[in-house]
Amino acid sequence: GENVEQHPSTLSVQEGDSAVIKCTYSDSASNYFPWYKQELGKRPQLIIDIRSNVGEKKDQRIAVTLNKTAKHFSLHITETQPEDSAVYFCAASWRSNSGYALNFGKGTSLLVTP
Amino acid sequence: GAVVSQHPSWVICKSGTSVKIECRSLDFQATTMFWYRQFPKQSLMLMATSNEGSKATYEQGVEKDKFLINHASLTLSTLTVTSAHPEDSSFYICSAQPSGRAGETQYFGPGTRLLVL
Repeated sequence: GENVEQHPSTLSVQEGDSAVIKCTYSDSASNYFPWYKQELGKRPQLIIDIRSNVGEKKDQRIAVTLNKTAKHFSLHITETQPEDSAVYFCAASWRSNSGYALNFGKGTSLLVTP
Repeated sequence: GAVVSQHPSWVICKSGTSVKIECRSLDFQATTMFWYRQFPKQSLMLMATSNEGSKATYEQGVEKDKFLINHASLTLSTLTVTSAHPEDSSFYICSAQPSGRAGETQYFGPGTRLLVL
């Protein structure tokens, strides 16, 4: 399988500042890396993803970078807003006997204070 | 697009009873669905992978006879927690992978909160 490490476990920033969450993975065959946002008691929502043939992807205030050589990828949120407060999970794909599965990091609890 | 529903959203049951949870992909077909368990303030732990028309693949430590999975159609997978006990209380979330696309993208259902008394 795949082992995904995520840091930090908690992150507090002031509104307007940037937030960066980092993940590392172990399986060099992984080629798909999504990021999910989960608000309390709700489902994880896919916010951005990146595939191994791309080094960076951006969607408005959210960007993800991938370094395949070092096996790490990061989520960058700029101009943070209080509604960005949630738990963020990174994940990396791996090929199981049943198809493609995802292994998730332990999550980062982001708090954006006004 | 890519909406996944889950039913029920919450259930309270007595110890020893069985509980069935449904996961549906509403606007796409899903050859593969996944069942996760999430404890408070923890990550998503994969329990099993469900493929339409075949037996589910369970992760290590997950009892297949206790957590019965059926994926009878391309839009529906069910998880039955048999003879539930208080330690089975948790948040159960399913996800679905759209068929015929890149293969790895998963869309999550809203989850089912199970409380076993």
